[in-house]
Amino acid sequence: DTAVSQTPKYLVTQMGNDKSIKCEQNLGHDTMYWYKQDSKKFLKIMFSYNNKELIINETVPNRFSPKSPDKAHLNLHINSLELGDSAVYFCASNSGGDNEQFFGPGTRLTVL
Amino acid sequence: EDQVTQSPEALRLQEGESSSLNCSYTVSGLRGLFWYRQDPGKGPEFLFTLYSAGEEKEKERLKATLTKKESFLHITAPKPEDSATYLCAVHPSNSGYALNFGKGTSLLVTP
Repeated sequence: DTAVSQTPKYLVTQMGNDKSIKCEQNLGHDTMYWYKQDSKKFLKIMFSYNNKELIINETVPNRFSPKSPDKAHLNLHINSLELGDSAVYFCASNSGGDNEQFFGPGTRLTVL
Repeated sequence: EDQVTQSPEALRLQEGESSSLNCSYTVSGLRGLFWYRQDPGKGPEFLFTLYSAGEEKEKERLKATLTKKESFLHITAPKPEDSATYLCAVHPSNSGYALNFGKGTSLLVTP
């Protein structure tokens, strides 16, 4: 059983387009996250979210927005895509607090 | 500012040649230090969590230790399948549960 899944695995698009990446977890976790891994493999937090609170990394442009239709899903919407948005995006989840986070397989976004 | 620094950036070992990876950190109140393994094209896979100085955890050929300023991931008699990028992350007390990652150590174990 896949614990944290993401779709699509690869996404190639033109500058200026709007796209979404979906994330689902079947672990019953309360908290979900989005991370960005750049070309130098550096993982940085973008958002953390549970059913009570959204915490946004202040360096994330407001073109990025997380949307959670229910506790098991946290989708990432990106408007007006730019070249610099090209990266691998990882979704993660945990049962909150200091517990280990489980990561999805990643979505490689390429903006042309 | 919270910082996590991993060294070396890359490490090449012969099979059976033991070594250690370093993760030094400065955070405003540590709530946990995590080690993950990442294989190419995959998401990070959880290895260990350490919460307090002096704590140690082991799993097969890996052993993680923690002091007040750094953590070590000791690899004993590594095998080629241990080749991966090893990521260290800290959970500061003011992060809203998000992890601050280091840039990782890329480990290659040759037969």
